[in-house]
Amino acid sequence: AQSVTQPDIHITVSEGASLELRCNYSYGATPYLFWYVQSPGQGLQLLLKYFSGDTLVQGIKGFEAEFKRSQSSFNLRKPSVHWSDAAEYFCAVGPNTGFQKLVFGTGTRLLVSP
Amino acid sequence: NAGVTQTPKFRVLKTGQSMTLLCAQDMNHEYMYWYRQDPGMGLRLIHYSVGEGTTAKGEVPDGYNVSRLKKQNFLLGLESAAPSQTSVYFCASSWYRLRGNSPLHFGNGTRLTVT
Repeated sequence: AQSVTQPDIHITVSEGASLELRCNYSYGATPYLFWYVQSPGQGLQLLLKYFSGDTLVQGIKGFEAEFKRSQSSFNLRKPSVHWSDAAEYFCAVGPNTGFQKLVFGTGTRLLVSP
Repeated sequence: NAGVTQTPKFRVLKTGQSMTLLCAQDMNHEYMYWYRQDPGMGLRLIHYSVGEGTTAKGEVPDGYNVSRLKKQNFLLGLESAAPSQTSVYFCASSWYRLRGNSPLHFGNGTRLTVT
């Protein structure tokens, strides 16, 4: 069965510090991988996606993620966190066909301390 | 460009009441989806549609019905609301592509409380 695990429910990072959010997936075929961000009271916004090719993908707002097939991971990183990055982050996996029947992780809430 | 619009934003129902959540998208997307979001459970797919006039069950379809009479609209109905349906509901839409992929575009959600 397809699944996504985000082992950290909450993470607190000091402003200006680096960030890494973990995501592990279980998928029977070559997956498409996504990171979404949700600000309070808002819908989810796509940060970045991996389909194929370069395993290090760049996204919006200075985020990047690295696909590691051997570890079934797709961790999200940012070198220097800003207070505005405080939000909930969701990793998702889906099939490499046109229809986006995604499986989402349970999310990681990022808190940014001054 | 409005994107994906959900109405209403908030609703309180009593057990047994019915209601319909409306999702409208103006991006000419083929695919539309209804998710529910519950604490500690992420987003779970309720129903989806791959085109006008089509619907299909997702991961947690029980207690819900949907209709896609027009390409731009996707309605989610609760015939007899239960407290277990207290949740935040998100609508999303995406393009169809044979290869490559189109990310989901989400609405801002409907917070439903069933008492």
